[in-house]
Amino acid sequence: EAQVTQNPRYLITVTGKKLTVTCSQNMNHEYMSWYRQDPGLGLRQIYYSMNVEVTDKGDVPEGYKVSRKEKRNFPLILESPSPNQTSLYFCASSLNRGPLEQYFGPGTRLTVT
Amino acid sequence: RKEVEQDPGPFNVPEGATVAFNCTYSNSASQSFFWYRQDCRKEPKLLMSVYSSGNEDGRFTAQLNRASQYISLLIRDSKLSDSATYLCVVNLGYGGSQGNLIFGKGTKLSVKP
Repeated sequence: EAQVTQNPRYLITVTGKKLTVTCSQNMNHEYMSWYRQDPGLGLRQIYYSMNVEVTDKGDVPEGYKVSRKEKRNFPLILESPSPNQTSLYFCASSLNRGPLEQYFGPGTRLTVT
Repeated sequence: RKEVEQDPGPFNVPEGATVAFNCTYSNSASQSFFWYRQDCRKEPKLLMSVYSSGNEDGRFTAQLNRASQYISLLIRDSKLSDSATYLCVVNLGYGGSQGNLIFGKGTKLSVKP
């Protein structure tokens, strides 16, 4: 089944404890992206990757890192999480070298205390 | 400033009604436009791409007005299952912003029996 998977789906952690949220797609998609969704603010793009080894900042990259060492995986890293990073995170991918017709993962609900 | 504006609603309509959503965008250089649907606490899913000539998919019609910088979505013969939040999405699609997507905050639709 073609899909985007994220792990974990739910995570509660403490301020400053490094964490990684994994994202993987099995559709051989070129483009991948991370978003966070907050009440009243909608979906905001954190980072995106047009292809392997190519990553760019979205609108809210502060406090996050990403890597794209292989096509299928695009992990999101929070080196030192803070409470303002409590949010619902979505990973997405699309076939084209650009964010056309994206497929979203199921989301990761992160709480930082 | 990059912005995509939508009326948050909620739009409460009876089954069978026709409902229209509008979305305005601020960057006249925007290249690609989409409508996504998001059910409560779920991932967004692509509903339609929006083309300059307009496009129709069953009960859904999307139109783009570049001169006025707005996108519209028309839903005819509303079904209970159409209840969701509809997200307007814009991509600049060129240069350094090729992968950058801007989401509107969404318009909530509730279809009542």
